[in-house]
Amino acid sequence: EVQLVESGGTLVQPGGSLRLSCAASGFTFSRYWLSWVRQAPGKGLEWVAQINQDGGEKYYVDSVKGRFTVSRDDAKNSLYLQLDSLRVGDTAVYYCAREGRGMTALDYWGQGTLVTVSS
Amino acid sequence: DIQMTQSPSSLSASVGERVTITCRASQNIDNYVNWYQQKPGKAPKILIYSTSSLQSGVPSRFSGSGSGTDFTLTISSLQPEDFASYYCQHRGTFGQGTKLEIK
Repeated sequence: EVQLVESGGTLVQPGGSLRLSCAASGFTFSRYWLSWVRQAPGKGLEWVAQINQDGGEKYYVDSVKGRFTVSRDDAKNSLYLQLDSLRVGDTAVYYCAREGRGMTALDYWGQGTLVTVSS
Repeated sequence: DIQMTQSPSSLSASVGERVTITCRASQNIDNYVNWYQQKPGKAPKILIYSTSSLQSGVPSRFSGSGSGTDFTLTISSLQPEDFASYYCQHRGTFGQGTKLEIK
């Protein structure tokens, strides 16, 4: 069974940093593109970052470029998102998701982890 | 950047009714549109990928169609468990979402 489990979300002050983790199981992790998607309270979905199978391609939404960094560790079957220079507007539930092979869709999602940026 | 404009933003319908949700792209995107369902407090779930392919395990009352810039998600006969929010997506862009409520 495919599982994605996020962790690391917490309350942090504006300007602070945080690292989110996503532990994967039930599939060959190294073969898949992976993404982070966030959802602010009461709002819609926003794609945040994406990484390819070998970590050589990374893409970000404009609002987080230069502040967030996506990475992966295939030996640990884990995806990460480093969040720096956090802003109040970054408050959201952050989901990790797998991009299905042969499709551009996100076919499995974690349960999400809440990041709250507030003083 | 491509924008995905989804409509309506909310919709009230009855069990058994047929409903259609539309997504319009700001430019031609061929057939790379996906549709997700999200229930309160839960992660999104893929329903349709590549415009019209039904994800394994998703009921056949869900269908997708379209090409170019205009795409639709249709639920042929609403069931109680279908009342949720729905999002279209093309690569790094999601539509604004449609909240489907019980009439």
